[in-house]
Amino acid sequence: DTAVSQTPKYLVTQMGNDKSIKCEQNLGHDTMYWYKQDSKKFLKIMFSYNNKELIINETVPNRFSPKSPDKAHLNLHINSLELGDSAVYFCASSHSDSQAIYGYTFGSGTRLTVV
Amino acid sequence: AQSVTQLGSHVSVSEGALVLLRCNYSSSVPPYLFWYVQYPNQGLQLLLKYTTGATLVKGINGFEAEFKKSETSFHLTKPSAHMSDAAEYFCAVSGGNAGKSTFGDGTTLTVKP
Repeated sequence: DTAVSQTPKYLVTQMGNDKSIKCEQNLGHDTMYWYKQDSKKFLKIMFSYNNKELIINETVPNRFSPKSPDKAHLNLHINSLELGDSAVYFCASSHSDSQAIYGYTFGSGTRLTVV
Repeated sequence: AQSVTQLGSHVSVSEGALVLLRCNYSSSVPPYLFWYVQYPNQGLQLLLKYTTGATLVKGINGFEAEFKKSETSFHLTKPSAHMSDAAEYFCAVSGGNAGKSTFGDGTTLTVKP
């Protein structure tokens, strides 16, 4: 069983479209994250949710809207896609901890290409 | 604020040679430190972590790292490189109620036959 699963794995879309990425974890973790990895492999946190509550919202355009229907799921919806949104988006989960002591379990990523 | 600096964006070693990947951190609170590995087209996998206690921590695949507070370092080592170790390695720091880990820029490890 995959611990953190993301769909789709690849997403190619035109500028201006709206798309969603889904993430599910079966580890019983309370906290889930979205990270963005750019073409130089730099990783930057976007959002985190703890038990469906938004905890971290970094400086991200409001075209990006996360949604957590329950603690096992965290989805990312992106409106009006731009070329600069092309990246790999990683979902991760961890035990609930304000100091992030446990480390993350990552999904395999969604490679978004905007053309 | 916390930050991590990984010295050397690319490291190349011969198979069987020592692997040393360098990581220095900055933190105003006691840090929790992590190393992750990312193989091509895959997500990151936790190699090892330091929280408290023993400063030499052992991880998977024969890797280990030593927390040195006086040097603010957490370097990753492996005595003998294997071809399968070729990957991207990330150092990360957390702590102080930030609720997140901050990652370094990564080091690409190449292993030559």
